Amino acid sequence: AQSVTQPDIHITVSEGASLELRCNYSYGATPYLFWYVQSPGQGLQLLLKYFSGDTLVQGIKGFEAEFKRSQSSFNLRKPSVHWSDAAEYFCAVGAVYGGSQGNLIFGKGTKLSVKP
Amino acid sequence: GAGVSQSPSNKVTEKGKDVELRCDPISGHTALYWYRQSLGQGLEFLIYFQGNSAPDKSGLPSDRFSAERTGGSVSTLTIQRTQQEDSAVYLCASSTGQGDLAFFGQGTRLTVV
Repeated sequence: AQSVTQPDIHITVSEGASLELRCNYSYGATPYLFWYVQSPGQGLQLLLKYFSGDTLVQGIKGFEAEFKRSQSSFNLRKPSVHWSDAAEYFCAVGAVYGGSQGNLIFGKGTKLSVKP
Repeated sequence: GAGVSQSPSNKVTEKGKDVELRCDPISGHTALYWYRQSLGQGLEFLIYFQGNSAPDKSGLPSDRFSAERTGGSVSTLTIQRTQQEDSAVYLCASSTGQGDLAFFGQGTRLTVV
């Protein structure tokens, strides 16, 4: 079955510390992989995506993610967290249909809290 | 417009009533998606429109839910005979449909009382 697992429901880190949010997926086809962020009361914002090529992808706000096919993982990282990064983060996987993006399957999200 | 626009932003309705939620995608985007975000359920795919192709309705939870997209642009999600479990934030997203990014609207918060 197709699924996305974000093992950590809630993570708290200190401001300035490094961050890694985990994402594992199960998908039969070649996947597109995404990370989104949702701030309280806001819509979803795309942080970064992986379609093909270099397995380390850079996104906005200083985030990066690494695709590891052997581990079926797409973990999100940031070297130094800012208080404004406190939000909920969603990993998602989608299909490659001749270049078109089909529906996305989302993980249940990881809520990030940042301590001063 | 500059982004995906959804209306209304909030809707409170009585159980058993029908509701319509509207989505205006980004101009030129051929792909349009509806998702539902419920507490404890995460984001659930509902329906996907791509150009003139038949929509992918595989995520609609029951026959009370339907959606249409007129003229390849605006989409309306209709929920008939609303139930309390329909309470959620309904998110719309659009993309170029060429493996491009999906841009999400702010959502409609539906509360069924």
